[in-house]
Amino acid sequence: DAGVTQSPTHLIKTRGQQVTLRCSPKSGHDTVSWYQQALGQGPQFIFQYYEEEERQRGNFPDRFSGHQFPNYSSELNVNALLLGDSALYLCASSYRLNQPQHFGDGTRLSIL
Amino acid sequence: QQQVKQSPQSLIVQKGGISIINCAYENTAFDYFPWYQQFPGKGPALLIAIRPDVSEKKEGRFTISFNKSAKQFSLHIMDSQPGDSATYFCAASKGGSEKLVFGKGTKLTVNP
Repeated sequence: DAGVTQSPTHLIKTRGQQVTLRCSPKSGHDTVSWYQQALGQGPQFIFQYYEEEERQRGNFPDRFSGHQFPNYSSELNVNALLLGDSALYLCASSYRLNQPQHFGDGTRLSIL
Repeated sequence: QQQVKQSPQSLIVQKGGISIINCAYENTAFDYFPWYQQFPGKGPALLIAIRPDVSEKKEGRFTISFNKSAKQFSLHIMDSQPGDSATYFCAASKGGSEKLVFGKGTKLTVNP
């Protein structure tokens, strides 16, 4: 039973570029949430997708956008990258709206 | 505004000892309190969770104590082992699948 999988594992970009991160939820899960974890900090909620719609959004600018596909997989897009966007980006999945969230191992994004 | 405060920032315990990590929350609407364990290079793994209708939950060597009136909860790791060395995060949410608000983490080191 595969858990939450994320790709790529590492990514290096330069300021101003755009990036797309991908997430496949755990089998049977239909809700996907994205978090940003800066070094030495706890994860910060970016947004959540359910039934291909953005349900909730954290305090992140519009440069951060996402999408959920009919197979429940999801993408996180970040435009006009800033140095401060360097972080570990985590995807978490759950079943419906009242079940625990399970995390993938994340994508480490470095901005030069 | 940090809604979940976690202490201590770091903790060193001898093998066989008890590790205790504390968290305090502000939002009384929170009704789900999980603890996650994170190893370097990995995503957070759900360890144990509690809802406010019980004051304590035990799973193996891990126990959550919950004090609703004080808006505090804590993780106790009994018979701590070197393999428990990791960063532990408390979190809170309104419902299990809602956005998680994390503490800043506690780096636990268990010496052999």
